[in-house]
Amino acid sequence: LAKTTQPISMDSYEGQEVNITCSHNNIATNDYITWYQQFPSQGPRFIIQGYKTKVTNEVASLFIPADRKSSTLSLPRVSLSDTAVYYCLVGDLGTGGFKTIFGAGTRLFVKA
Amino acid sequence: SQTIHQWPATLVQPVGSPLSLECTVEGTSNPNLYWYRQAAGRGLQLLFYSVGIGQISSEVPQNLSASRPQDRQFILSSKKLLLSDSGFYLCAWSVRDRGQGGYTFGSGTRLTVV
Repeated sequence: LAKTTQPISMDSYEGQEVNITCSHNNIATNDYITWYQQFPSQGPRFIIQGYKTKVTNEVASLFIPADRKSSTLSLPRVSLSDTAVYYCLVGDLGTGGFKTIFGAGTRLFVKA
Repeated sequence: SQTIHQWPATLVQPVGSPLSLECTVEGTSNPNLYWYRQAAGRGLQLLFYSVGIGQISSEVPQNLSASRPQDRQFILSSKKLLLSDSGFYLCAWSVRDRGQGGYTFGSGTRLTVV
């Protein structure tokens, strides 16, 4: 199982771009990298997923270098409502990745 | 579209009482199902997962059990609750045998054992 390491917390201001980096040195060939967002008293919500290079959707971008040993979630122009915990997960749900480990995540505080 | 229902939203139970939390999924077949627990300010701990009816795998020895009586129904139970069972319980599903994709979580149950 690939273990992930993320910063415990980050602060930002409204309108800034936020980049959260996750390290996963022992990622396996079939593993995908997935990021989730969680607000208090709610279940985590899928944000974005990638395998390599760059993925972009309407919410965020995910940058993955060629060696795939890390990934960076980029949130453009954050607002107060982006204050949440962000989890980086690495695994392959199709072949036992259901044991994927959720770490403590990164607590993002967006200030006015 | 797929939806996941989890209830109740909050629950206060005395020590030693039984527990039953239910989770159902709609709009998909043969999902993988999961129960997670989250302590205050902590990450998610996988408790149980199921790849099919009657197939339950436990990740952590504990006072809880899980059952999957139907394809899209997952139940978390306890015969006698302990204070340490308090927490935020989350049900989730994922597409079976699909490497790509992620978890879809329910809205959670806040359990307080008093």
